[in-house]
Amino acid sequence: EDKVVQSPLSLVVHEGDTVTLNCSYEVTNFRSLLWYKQEKKAPTFLFMLTSSGIEKKSGRLSSILDKKELFSILNITATQTGDSAVYLCAVEPGGTYKYIFGTGTRLKVLA
Amino acid sequence: DVKVTQSSRYLVKRTGEKVFLECVQDMDHENMFWYRQDPGLGLRLIYFSYDVKMKEKGDIPEGYSVSREKKERFSLILESASTNQTSMYLCASSPLGRVGYTFGSGTRLTVV
Repeated sequence: EDKVVQSPLSLVVHEGDTVTLNCSYEVTNFRSLLWYKQEKKAPTFLFMLTSSGIEKKSGRLSSILDKKELFSILNITATQTGDSAVYLCAVEPGGTYKYIFGTGTRLKVLA
Repeated sequence: DVKVTQSSRYLVKRTGEKVFLECVQDMDHENMFWYRQDPGLGLRLIYFSYDVKMKEKGDIPEGYSVSREKKERFSLILESASTNQTSMYLCASSPLGRVGYTFGSGTRLTVV
C-alpha cells in the first residue's frame, strides 16, 4: 500500500531557529514529490522534486529528495512567525496525476 | 490570477440532509479532485475526474458521489450527511500531463 509519513507531527521553535521537516514514502513507481504550506486556507505550493540530490531553494526554504532512501527534507532557516503553518508532503505514484499526502507537520514559531 | 473557487467557506448541515459542495476552476484544467482533511489523518482522496462526465473513486468514496457536467465545475455530493462527514473539504485541479495541484480555499462542513 502506498504511503507517505511525515515527522515530526508538530514542532515549536523560536524565531531565528533552523528547522528540518521530514517526509518518507513508499509508493509504486514514484514520479514526483510536492511540498505545500497550509495556513488557514488553501495549501500553497512550495516545491516540486523529481530527481535525487538536486536542492530546490526559495529564500530561506530549501528541499532535497533522496530517491534511493525514499525521503525528502524541507529546511527552513532563520524562522519567522510567518512560517507558522502546516507543511504538507505529497507523493505521486507513477503516471496517476493524483497525490498521496502525509499527515503534515504543524510548525509554530514563537516570537 | 488563476483560481479554484469553492462556493462556501463554512457550512452547517443536519444529519440526513443532502449536501452539495461546489468547486469551480478557471484554468481550463482537465483534472479535478476532492479531498477531505482531518487532524491526524492528513488529506485523503474521495473522488477525482480526468474529464467531463468521467469520475473515479479515490481512497474513501463511501457516502459520497460526484458530478462533472462541465469542465470547470466538479461537485461533491453527500447523499445523506452523517456526523462522521464533519471535516474540511478541499478541491484541487491540475492540467492534463502536468504535475502539481492548485487548491481551493476549502469548505469546513459541520454535520449536527
